[in-house]
Amino acid sequence: DARVTQTPRHKVTEMGQEVTMRCQPILGHNTVFWYRQTMMQGLELLAYFRNRAPLDDSGMPKDRFSAEMPDATLATLKIQPSEPRDSAVYFCASGLRGMGGELFFGEGSRLTVL
Amino acid sequence: AQTVTQSQPEMSVQEAETVTLSCTYDTSESDYYLFWYKQPPSRQMILVIRQEAYKQQNATENRFSVNFQKAAKSFSLKISDSQLGDAAMYFCAYRTPYGGATNKLIFGTGTLLAVQP
Repeated sequence: DARVTQTPRHKVTEMGQEVTMRCQPILGHNTVFWYRQTMMQGLELLAYFRNRAPLDDSGMPKDRFSAEMPDATLATLKIQPSEPRDSAVYFCASGLRGMGGELFFGEGSRLTVL
Repeated sequence: AQTVTQSQPEMSVQEAETVTLSCTYDTSESDYYLFWYKQPPSRQMILVIRQEAYKQQNATENRFSVNFQKAAKSFSLKISDSQLGDAAMYFCAYRTPYGGATNKLIFGTGTLLAVQP
């Protein structure tokens, strides 16, 4: 059963600490998205990769956030330094051309920054 | 820029009854995809139904169907024979076709559906 895998599921950290969230897209998918979900802002797109190349990271605070795809099986989202306002659920989603535009979502990483 | 609007923050339906969730969107594109995603308390985002803009026929998936009005830029979701397991947040979403510079998935703000036994 192919699925997007995200780690960690939950993370509690202190302000100022570095946080790294990881995503394993579905094998063969060539697009990867990072979304952030909060009560106030809803679902916000942070970054978008196609064939491992970053295409759009306009929604990401550049001073503290970074997103990479070291290889086709791993996407990472890093926050350094973390702040309480970063507390949210972070979703990774992957997709493939010809799949009707559908994105497949991971279960999300819930981040709490104290 | 494309936008998706869900004007009903919350809805309630009796078990076995029918409910319709509303969604409107704004775009200058002629070809695109529309989706309804369901997010239960487990927070997993689950695709409910998909509609391609070039198809005039409304999509259906078992108890779920859509009313797609392209000219009006409206895309409502109808849930028939509502079940307790349908209780969730429902998101309407829009996506431009693959090949555009940025074919990101744009979400509405969601409608929280409660199902009363």
